Amino acid sequence: GAVVSQHPSWVICKSGTSVKIECRSLDFQATTMFWYRQFPKQSLMLMATSNEGSKATYEQGVEKDKFLINHASLTLSTLTVTSAHPEDSSFYICSARGASSNNSPLHFGNGTRLTVT
Amino acid sequence: QKEVEQDPGPLSVPEGAIVSLNCTYSNSAFQYFMWYRQYSRKGPELLMYTYSSGNKEDGRFTAQVDKSSKYISLFIRDSQPSDSATYLCAMSTPNYGGATNKLIFGTGTLLAVQP
Repeated sequence: GAVVSQHPSWVICKSGTSVKIECRSLDFQATTMFWYRQFPKQSLMLMATSNEGSKATYEQGVEKDKFLINHASLTLSTLTVTSAHPEDSSFYICSARGASSNNSPLHFGNGTRLTVT
Repeated sequence: QKEVEQDPGPLSVPEGAIVSLNCTYSNSAFQYFMWYRQYSRKGPELLMYTYSSGNKEDGRFTAQVDKSSKYISLFIRDSQPSDSATYLCAMSTPNYGGATNKLIFGTGTLLAVQP
């Protein structure tokens, strides 16, 4: 089945630094990747949608200059949290969809827990 | 009003019980309905996927969709302690033009199955 790998699984960084999170599709080509954020005991909230080779589409209220998304290949998308602050501490999860599965359910990575001190 | 409503629980049941989890929604354009299971500190794992109305069964799990009532359910038979997790419902709408689907999630229901 479709496997999505996310790295790192957890990261601690100091306030003001930047953190990069990788999302890879291991056994299929992901034309579209989605980045979600989840606060404790809350649902997943879509942050942005990225299509390979084009700029990401951000949801309302998500700062695109703070959350940089790059989808440079069909198997890799990255999310960079720039100038991180404690309020950016959260669980970030990516998901991916292949070219031939436009309406198929999404498969998710295992998430990255970011703690900003 | 949220597009998708889900009781956050927690729901505690004894081992072997039948569990009923539910979501209601307001957007009649939703046609794709999913249930995900999420263990602590892990990403969501797809359990069931249903298109439009009807029932779908997979082992101990049954998903039901009632579009007329805008109500979906997940039933777990013979529940096991290993079923203890957060269960998230999710929904999406058909594509229009080049738009990609988005999933709208419920808040998740925390289930604890007691041995």
